[in-house]
Amino acid sequence: RKEVEQDPGPFNVPEGATVAFNCTYSNSASQSFFWYRQDCRKEPKLLMSVYSSGNEDGRFTAQLNRASQYISLLIRDSKLSDSATYLCVVTDTGGFKTIFGAGTRLFVKA
Amino acid sequence: GAVVSQHPSWVICKSGTSVKIECRSLDFQATTMFWYRQFPKQSLMLMATSNEGSKATYEQGVEKDKFLINHASLTLSTLTVTSAHPEDSSFYICSASSDSSFYNEQFFGPGTRLTVL
Repeated sequence: RKEVEQDPGPFNVPEGATVAFNCTYSNSASQSFFWYRQDCRKEPKLLMSVYSSGNEDGRFTAQLNRASQYISLLIRDSKLSDSATYLCVVTDTGGFKTIFGAGTRLFVKA
Repeated sequence: GAVVSQHPSWVICKSGTSVKIECRSLDFQATTMFWYRQFPKQSLMLMATSNEGSKATYEQGVEKDKFLINHASLTLSTLTVTSAHPEDSSFYICSASSDSSFYNEQFFGPGTRLTVL
């Protein structure tokens, strides 16, 4: 089993759609969780940290379920500019070991 | 957010030569820096983790004598690909994090695209 697993994708959605990405992690001692987005041939950029209580930033909502070792990202009212690969990232205590999921590709169409 | 720069952004070299890539944190002190490699259509693969002033910790399967990492200051880490071969052609990305950040998020440099002929 991979340490961090994501939906295989790609997701093809129309503008305005709501899309949800799921991610599971295997290490129950994992401490910090993030969603990054990566555009083609660019570096990953931090989208949002994922807090235990869940958090929202505009159209983006992240949830963490420690019991199920599950993280999600919800994008509402998708824009063309949301097209990218979304990476689920998990780190251990102290941030010394970071595991990236394989990423889920999102295509938003007009 | 914090800014991390990388230099060069792309490099083409002949097989057998060595290439040095610099990673700098511009507006914060990076206690830890990470080096990743990404092949086309694949996710980032961690190569090594380095803390300022100490030897880097390499991931399994990464040759430490081939990929030399130096983290001499809190704002600079370098990766040297020695005796590069075509199979080393890849996108190399560094990231930096600070102990002062509670969540230990990493901030990434723009990456260096290496092509070995």
